[in-house]
Amino acid sequence: NAGVTQTPKFQVLKTGQSMTLQCAQDMNHEYMSWYRQDPGMGLRLIHYSVGAGITDQGEVPNGYNVSRSTTEDFPLRLLSAAPSQTSVYFCASSRQGQTPGANVLTFGAGSRLTVL
Amino acid sequence: GIQVEQSPPDLILQEGANSTLRCNFSDSVNNLQWFHQNPWGQLINLFYIPSGTKQNGRLSATTVATERYSLLYISSSQTTDSGVYFCAVAPFSGGYNKLIFGAGTRLAVHP
Repeated sequence: NAGVTQTPKFQVLKTGQSMTLQCAQDMNHEYMSWYRQDPGMGLRLIHYSVGAGITDQGEVPNGYNVSRSTTEDFPLRLLSAAPSQTSVYFCASSRQGQTPGANVLTFGAGSRLTVL
Repeated sequence: GIQVEQSPPDLILQEGANSTLRCNFSDSVNNLQWFHQNPWGQLINLFYIPSGTKQNGRLSATTVATERYSLLYISSSQTTDSGVYFCAVAPFSGGYNKLIFGAGTRLAVHP
């Protein structure tokens, strides 16, 4: 059981380049989300999804796109990278509902992105 | 949007000491979780506690939802407790999973 898997772990981009951060979970969780963490700060929600085909914006969505074509995968796309997007990105997932263990976030290991 | 404030921002302890971390939030919530981020950056869920009290070994947490705060207690601290502790809440208006994080409490436990 791998949990939440993020790739790549490290990436360096030049300003204006595009890339996709991958996130996959094997727990059949309905809810998936992307956060960014900047030095000395808490996590800020970028985008989230409550199921395949459904996505919505979080606190800081500008400059990022997401899609959810399957339950397992939730990629985060940077269309034109900017230095302000230098950060550590975390993907998280949870089961939804009212049963024990639902709505508890499980995080991936993080992806460190540097934009020059 | 909802505001989440954690205190203290930094905490230094000697091994064996006890501590209390606080999380205040500005609106009613239907989900509240505490996380520990270890020095390698890994985030681990400690408690799911939208109300009431829970205990897990040396850690315990209490949320008083009507007064909009939660407390995390660490007893007999160990060096492995070092890291950053985050409180995260989901307001009633946003569903159960849309968690908003506080800025965290950075804890250093010295031997």
